[in-house]
This record gives sequence, C-alpha cells and structure tokens, in this order.
Amino acid sequence: GQQVMQIPQYQHVQEGEDFTTYCNSSTTLSNIQWYKQRPGGHPVFLIQLVKSGEVKKQKRLTFQFGEAKKNSSLHITATQTTDVGTYFCAGPGNRDDKIIFGKGTRLHILP
Amino acid sequence: DVKVTQSSRYLVKRTGEKVFLECVQDMDHENMFWYRQDPGLGLRLIYFSYDVKMKEKGDIPEGYSVSREKKERFSLILESASTNQTSMYLCASSLWRTQYFGPGTRLLVL
Repeated sequence: GQQVMQIPQYQHVQEGEDFTTYCNSSTTLSNIQWYKQRPGGHPVFLIQLVKSGEVKKQKRLTFQFGEAKKNSSLHITATQTTDVGTYFCAGPGNRDDKIIFGKGTRLHILP
Repeated sequence: DVKVTQSSRYLVKRTGEKVFLECVQDMDHENMFWYRQDPGLGLRLIYFSYDVKMKEKGDIPEGYSVSREKKERFSLILESASTNQTSMYLCASSLWRTQYFGPGTRLLVL
C-alpha cells in the first residue's frame, strides 16, 4: 500500500539552531499534511499543502511541497523549547478522508 | 471549537478482559478513526467509520472490533485484552481529510 517515509526518526538540536524533517513518497500525492504532537499530547493539525512547489510559512515554520508532489519538508528556523515534539507528515489514503501518516520525527532541543 | 473526547486518559486491565474505549466528537463529522501509537511505529490505523453503522478495517484490526451506533460516538472494543495491546489509543474525527484527535487513552494490560 501507499506509504510516506519520513526522516530522520530523531533529531537533537541546540536551542537556536535550525531543524528540518523530510517526507517522501514513491507515488504522486494529491496533498500532504503536517501534524505536531507535543510530549504527552495528541497530534494537532498544522497545515495542508496541495499545489506543486507550494511553500507556506507559519512564523518560524516553513513547509514545502516538491515540484513532483512526491516529497515535502518542514523547516524550523531558530528552534525554541516550545518546538519540542514529534512532527508527522501525512499523505492521502485509498479513500476520501483516510490519510497515511509517516512515522514521525521526534525533535529534542538541547538548552 | 473542535472537540474530541475519550472516556479515559489511563486504563489498567487484566489479560482476557473485555475493554471498551469510547470516543465522542461534537463536530458532526461523518468520519471517525481509531489508531494505536507505539514507540518507533508511529500511528497505525485500527478501524475507521465513514457513517453510522459503517466501518472499515484499517492496517491492524486483529483483536479489535468497533461500534458506531450514533454519529458522534465511535467505540473501540478489545474482545479479550492481551499484553501486546498495551499501547496509546488515539481517536480522531475528520472533515475534508483534516483529522482532529482526542487526548488519547493509555492502556496497560497486565
């Protein structure tokens, strides 16, 4: 079945450093979503990308959708302790409203 | 504001017990989902429902069943709990593919 592969699995960064997580698919995606899960919390929807080459920003977070719509990235500039958590990408499943989650990238911030 | 609630945050059960996990959403969403989350394995779909009394198996349905008698409520049932079902269980509802999660139930089966 369709899968979205996410790397890296873990990332430790010093506070203030940048962070990037990548999501890849072997097939073209009609859209891609990103979610954030804080430690002890539940996944929360961040954004959806639909267009080829699309770039969206939310404050220090930059989301990109590749030209071929097979990959996506989330980049955080100047990380802060509030960025700690696991970031998931998710692509469409085999029917409406079903989505397939990547395994997530856990971000740990070193003070 | 979107709200998905789950009946328990923490639950301890014994092997062989029948376990009910309840999920309620107040957004009138047609689609609801049950996932389990384990370290290193991400979110795995157990079952989902696209309408009242309608359900479809996800990736790991073995050992689980579901019930959706009312639109707002989606129940996950462990017919005979086993230790390998110790996990975090997350319920979600969705509109136009965006999923809204409940706080999760951390289940320990002894």
